[in-house]
Parts: sequence; C-alpha cells; structure tokens
Amino acid sequence: SYELTQPSSVSVSPGQTARITCSGDILAKKFTRWFQQKPGQAPALVIYKDSERPSGIPERFSSSKSGTTVTLTISGAHVDDEADYYCCSAADNFWVFGGGTKLTVL
Amino acid sequence: QVQLAESGGGVVQPGRSMRLSCAASGFSFRSYDMHWVRQAPGKGLEWVAFISFEGNSKSYSDSVKGRFTISRDNSKNTLYLQMDSLRTEDTAVYSCARDSPYEDAFDVWGQGTMVTVSS
Repeated sequence: SYELTQPSSVSVSPGQTARITCSGDILAKKFTRWFQQKPGQAPALVIYKDSERPSGIPERFSSSKSGTTVTLTISGAHVDDEADYYCCSAADNFWVFGGGTKLTVL
Repeated sequence: QVQLAESGGGVVQPGRSMRLSCAASGFSFRSYDMHWVRQAPGKGLEWVAFISFEGNSKSYSDSVKGRFTISRDNSKNTLYLQMDSLRTEDTAVYSCARDSPYEDAFDVWGQGTMVTVSS
C-alpha cells in the first residue's frame, strides 16, 4: 500500500505565502490532488492533475512537484483559507490520502 | 443541481452489519465511477472503496477488504456500501464521492452519514 506524508500544521499571517508539502513514492509517477476541508463541511477539490485549478478556485492556489514531493502554495493567504488540507493520489484504482495539514491564518 | 445524499448510518454493535446508501441527483449517475470515503472523529480522510460506472470493477482499502462490499443500482441512481463484521475502529462519517473523469479526482461529495460501532 502507498503512504503520503504531510506536516500536521502550518501557520502564517494574512497576506503571507503558505506552503504545504506532501511526500510519497507514488507521487513521482501519479497525479496529486489537493482538497480543502473547513469545519463541518465536505472536502472541496482545489487542485487536480498535479497543478490544475478547478473553476472557481482562486489563482492564489497553486501546486508544483519535485520528485516524490508535491507542494501546495497559497500566495497571499486569506483568513478564509484557514482549513484542513489533504493531498491525494491513486494507482490501479487504489486511492490514498495524506494525513492532512491544519492551516492556520492569523 | 448536482447532489449526493447519504443515509443509513446510526449506532451498531461490534460484529453486526449495516448498509449505507448514497442517492445521486442532478447528473448522469450511470456515467461516473464512485467512491466511499470515511473520516473518524477528529481524524483525517480515509479512502474506503471504489466502483466503476458499470459496476464491474471494484477495489477496497486494506482496512475493509473482505468485510465491506460496494455496489450500485444505476436504475435507481444509488450507490451502496454493505458493511459486515463491523469493528469499533470503523466508527466514522461515511461520505460518497463522484469521480470526475476529466479532473481524475473527487469533484462532488455528499455531507456524509455517521456510523458508530459500539457495544
């Protein structure tokens, strides 16, 4: 089975750049997705196919890959971006999530 | 309006069974692969199971393989999760999610149904 590793928490001030990493061997060969989950809400897709943004997701959200590590970058973080973020990948119809990163913006 | 609505959760004793349903509306359910994902209280997301749009391909996480069965009825626009031999560690909110072929990701999620396994 595959594993994805994320930091448990990241903290930035409003307007700063937040970076959340996700590491795992599978990421070198397969796409990464990122989900944002706010308290009491269903997760929402913010990045797919490593670096693509769904319609409606602000341009401040971006993602890049280097080897087995993918980094979600939120440029000029807003207070409203405070949430849990999960990376996700899949191979042969087996899916795996990272443990999640709590982003604090204050 | 594209929607997924789960039902069937509740409290069940260890070793017993429970069946969850996910009703889809607002899109062509029969055209999409579907998944179940769970989240234990205060914990992260865990993928549980996958089923192809025609229902002829399925996969499961190691933690539920052999105990859970995913199925679908495209005539009823409904996804199911049959959970047998339940354990206390299966306690979680169970959500269904649509798999977008374009984005190759879960693009629509339900709000989830809580399953509590306790004696």
